[in-house]
This record gives sequence, C-alpha cells and structure tokens, in this order.
Amino acid sequence: NAGVTQTPKFQVLKTGQSMTLQCAQDMNHNSMYWYRQDPGMGLRLIYYSASEGTTDKGEVPNGYNVSRLNKREFSLRLESAAPSQTSVYFCASSPHSTLAASSYNEQFFGPGTRLTVL
Amino acid sequence: AQSVTQLGSHVSVSEGALVLLRCNYSSSVPPYLFWYVQYPNQGLQLLLKYTSAATLVKGINGFEAEFKKSETSFHLTKPSAHMSDAAEYFCAVSDGKTSYDKVIFGPGTSLSVIP
Repeated sequence: NAGVTQTPKFQVLKTGQSMTLQCAQDMNHNSMYWYRQDPGMGLRLIYYSASEGTTDKGEVPNGYNVSRLNKREFSLRLESAAPSQTSVYFCASSPHSTLAASSYNEQFFGPGTRLTVL
Repeated sequence: AQSVTQLGSHVSVSEGALVLLRCNYSSSVPPYLFWYVQYPNQGLQLLLKYTSAATLVKGINGFEAEFKKSETSFHLTKPSAHMSDAAEYFCAVSDGKTSYDKVIFGPGTSLSVIP
C-alpha cells in the first residue's frame, strides 16, 4: 500500500495563477483533510471531507476550494494564488468509524507539497 | 474551545540524555491526546495516543507520554536520545465528538540531538 500520496511535491506559482493539488489514499478511509503548515503555527485545517460526497470548511478556508472526487481522492484548488498562500500543504486521511465508541482514529499524512507563490 | 500549547519551540539535548517535550492542553471534555513526529521533508506520523485506557502511554521508538488530568499535561519523554530522534514534534488534542476526526495541533517543538 502506498498510503497517502500527494502531487506535486514542489510548485512555484506567480500571483494570480491557479493550480490544483492532488491527494489520494488507498486505505479505504472515510475522512480526508487538507492542512497547511507554516513556521511556528503548527498545522491548520483548510478543508475536510468527513465522508465521500461531503466537504466542509476548516479553520482557514479562504482562497481555497476542494473536491472529494470519490472515496480515494480529495483535491485542493487555489483559484488565484497569493503570496500569503506560500506554505507546505499536507493531505491526511483517517478511517473514522462510529462503530466503536472506545476507539479513536489517527490521521495518516502524505509527504506534503511545498508551494511558493511569487 | 480546545487548544494546545507546547513549551519551547526548540529543544536541544545531548545524545544519550533524557528527552522531555512539554505539552499542555485545554479541553472542556475528556480529551484524546496525540504526539506526532515529523522528520525533515516528510509528513507527520503518529508516535502515540491517549484515549483514556491508561494514563501512561508507550509509543514507537522508545517514546512514552503520561496523561495528568490535574495538570492538563501530556508531556513526551524518552530516557536516552538518539541522533535519529532529531525531528519536529507536535502535540495534538481532540474531543472525539465530531463527525470527523477533528484534531487541533500545537505549534510544534523542534528537537536537536547533539553528538
């Protein structure tokens, strides 16, 4: 199993350009997430998808859109990139089952995409 | 609202010395607590998690953490540091009540190991 994969690994954009970050998981997980990581701020949730067919805003959704294409894939789109969106972006997934109340599901992370907006 | 603080954005220890990374949380309900590790240019991976089964939690690579409700703490320790432990460490909290695995991450602590 590859786990969580992300493409591309690196990207440089000019202000105003658009791009889509791709994420896929092969663990049959229900929930998927997009985070951004900035120095000294930990990880901040951009959008999440609790299950196939649903998406919701996280802590910092402005300037981003997402698509949960199917159970495996969850993409993040920047319609008009800004320098403030320079960051490292991580996709994650978790099984999230409500069947066992005593269990709790960890998140599995991809390797990240380093995005620079000039 | 839940929150996590990590005392010390950067910690340096000598190889073989005790590692202590501090984490304090705020939660209105009994929390689930996690420590994740991030090696350079990689994603995060789970070191250990507390889900109320036992207050002392053992994780991978010789790390362990103790949940202390009275101190609202979940500090990470390892008796003897190894060069390979150099990484960024994130403490995280969740209430387990949401329809997805909502996790709040701390700002991280960068661990350096000096030979």
